[in-house]
Amino acid sequence: AQTVTQSQPEMSVQEAETVTLSCTYDTSESDYYLFWYKQPPSRQMILVIRQEAYKQQNATENRFSVNFQKAAKSFSLKISDSQLGDAAMYFCAYRRDQGAQKLVFGQGTRLTINP
Amino acid sequence: DADVTQTPRNRITKTGKRIMLECSQTKGHDRMYWYRQDPGLGLRLIYYSFDVKDINKGEISDGYSVSRQAQAKFSLSLESAIPNQTALYFCATSDTRRVSGELFFGEGSRLTVL
Repeated sequence: AQTVTQSQPEMSVQEAETVTLSCTYDTSESDYYLFWYKQPPSRQMILVIRQEAYKQQNATENRFSVNFQKAAKSFSLKISDSQLGDAAMYFCAYRRDQGAQKLVFGQGTRLTINP
Repeated sequence: DADVTQTPRNRITKTGKRIMLECSQTKGHDRMYWYRQDPGLGLRLIYYSFDVKDINKGEISDGYSVSRQAQAKFSLSLESAIPNQTALYFCATSDTRRVSGELFFGEGSRLTVL
């Protein structure tokens, strides 16, 4: 079974600085999708960014970018110019390409932004 | 208005009571899911449904049941609630036509079992 591991339960960063959240996953599949979701105090789950495994280019969405290392099965999220509104729980998730399209989530990383 | 609506948003109940969490969506998606969130464990899949006639167990289905009343409605039941079912429950949807298959979530239902 696929597993997703986020080894940093908590992270903190100064406002305007850059922070990287780590995620590793275990799979024997070659085609799959990876996601980062954000959960602010409102508890709504918000999609931040997604990456297709067949794409070598790292996905970018404004201040959010990923470092996708397929061979290492690593999928880190970089947040540039951190803002107070970035404070949230961040979840990494994996979905295989074929069969039941269920997402498997990591344990989450709580990000604090220090003003 | 939210595209994926969960009711109730918060509920406190007692051990042994029957509880139903309801989910409805206006996104027109065919797939619906119920996840449970616990601190330090992330989100874990309880049940999922790919259409009205297709219901599947997730990794933690014991103690739960579901009903897909229509394409837009998917309810989760706890027949006899117990304290370790205290958690934040999320309903989510996805669209088969979207290759990436990302989930769209409701706002969550926080359940406390005393």
